[in-house]
Amino acid sequence: AQKITQTQPGMFVQEKEAVTLDCTYDTSDPSYGLFWYKQPSSGEMIFLIYQGSYDQQNATEGRYSLNFQKARKSANLVISASQLGDSAMYFCAMREVNTNAGKSTFGDGTTLTVKP
Amino acid sequence: DGGITQSPKYLFRKEGQNVTLSCEQNLNHDAMYWYRQDPGQGLRLIYYSQIVNDFQKGDIAEGYSVSREKKESFPLTVTSAQKNPTAFYLCASSSTGTSIYEQYFGPGTRLTVT
Repeated sequence: AQKITQTQPGMFVQEKEAVTLDCTYDTSDPSYGLFWYKQPSSGEMIFLIYQGSYDQQNATEGRYSLNFQKARKSANLVISASQLGDSAMYFCAMREVNTNAGKSTFGDGTTLTVKP
Repeated sequence: DGGITQSPKYLFRKEGQNVTLSCEQNLNHDAMYWYRQDPGQGLRLIYYSQIVNDFQKGDIAEGYSVSREKKESFPLTVTSAQKNPTAFYLCASSSTGTSIYEQYFGPGTRLTVT
C-alpha cells in the first residue's frame, strides 16, 4: 500500500499568491514524523519543514507552514507569498519510529511552477 | 562547513561495467542512505546503514552493493547485474536515536550507462 500519496503531479501558482501542496499518509505507528523537501532542477534535496506526530501545533518555517490533520492523515504544505524561486519539485516524506526500521518513505512529488 | 559530498556529479559508463559512487559526510551522523530517483519520480531506497559495519537492503537493492567501513563514508557500487542503472543517485545521512531527525542530502550523482 502506498504510504505517502501526493495527488497533484503539477501545480501552478501566480507569484505572490499562496499555494497548498497535498500529502496524505498511511501508518499504524503512533510515533512518526512528516517532512517536506524541495528539489530544484539542480537535483539537490532541501529540507523545508518537519511535523512530529505528537506535536500539538502546526509547524511553521518562514513562508512554509504544514497543515497537519492527524485524524485525516493529512500533512499539506502551504507556501505563502510564492516567489519565482519556489518553482521546483516538492516531496512529502514520512519516518516511522517503531516500524519500517526508521526508514523514510517518499511520495512521488508535486512539480510547482510559479508564474510571474 | 558540515555536509555531504558525492562525487562525481556526472558519471558515464559502458554497459557491463561496475561503477562505484562516492558518498562522504562530516556531520558525525550514524545513519546513511542511498536513494535512486528516475525522471519525474520520487526517491526509492536502495540501501541504508545505521551504524558502521552494518547495512540493510532497502526496497530496490538488487544489482547494488555497499560497504560501511568508516562512519563518514558509504560508497555504492552499481554492478553489471543492475538492469537499468541510468538514474540520479542521492546519498543522505541523519542522526539516530529516540527522536525523529531529518535527512541531509548530498548533491547527487547522475549516472548514465550506454
